[in-house]
Amino acid sequence: KNEVEQSPQNLTAQEGEFITINCSYSVGISALHWLQQHPGGGIVSLFMLSSGKKKHGRLIATINIQEKHSSLHITASHPRDSAVYICAVSGGSNYKLTFGKGTLLTVNP
Amino acid sequence: KAGVTQTPRYLIKTRGQQVTLSCSPISGHRSVSWYQQTPGQGLQFLFEYFSETQRNKGNFPGRFSGRQFSNSRSEMNVSTLELGDSALYLCASSLADSTENIQYFGAGTRLSVL
Repeated sequence: KNEVEQSPQNLTAQEGEFITINCSYSVGISALHWLQQHPGGGIVSLFMLSSGKKKHGRLIATINIQEKHSSLHITASHPRDSAVYICAVSGGSNYKLTFGKGTLLTVNP
Repeated sequence: KAGVTQTPRYLIKTRGQQVTLSCSPISGHRSVSWYQQTPGQGLQFLFEYFSETQRNKGNFPGRFSGRQFSNSRSEMNVSTLELGDSALYLCASSLADSTENIQYFGAGTRLSVL
């Protein structure tokens, strides 16, 4: 069993829809990261959080430490949001990220 | 401020050769991490350097090695290349000394081993 599980693996939505991507982890962590990867490889860090909720524009990330679960929400989705979204966790003094397999999001106009 | 720069962007090598990839972090960042991304395994951690010291290493064979210079630039080396080493190699830099800080990724080096 992977330490970081994401669901769904693939998600297709219509422009304007509300989107949720989930991430569950099985180890103790000090922080959880949400990353976005567009075709061609470039990765952008969207959020890093260790508790509560963060919001940036149309993106919202939440984490529940007790339940070892995080969600990434996209409101009013747009075709430019089409990308792979990756959840990653870091723990203690490990200085390394452990990644989920990613969620491929396609938003159709 | 310039972002994380990786060179070269693309490489084609043959089995048995060795390769060196370079990563220049964002100015002021002292931590550099390396990752391998393949379609089958996804993103996997290779190693992390801070102030020229390797602080953690992932589960990769000894053919994978790295180093960091005093200006924080980092290189990784893969010796005796295998077909399975074909991948996108990403480096990321961060400001402070733990991965609790935001990591900024380079565009990656795509390595093809023939």
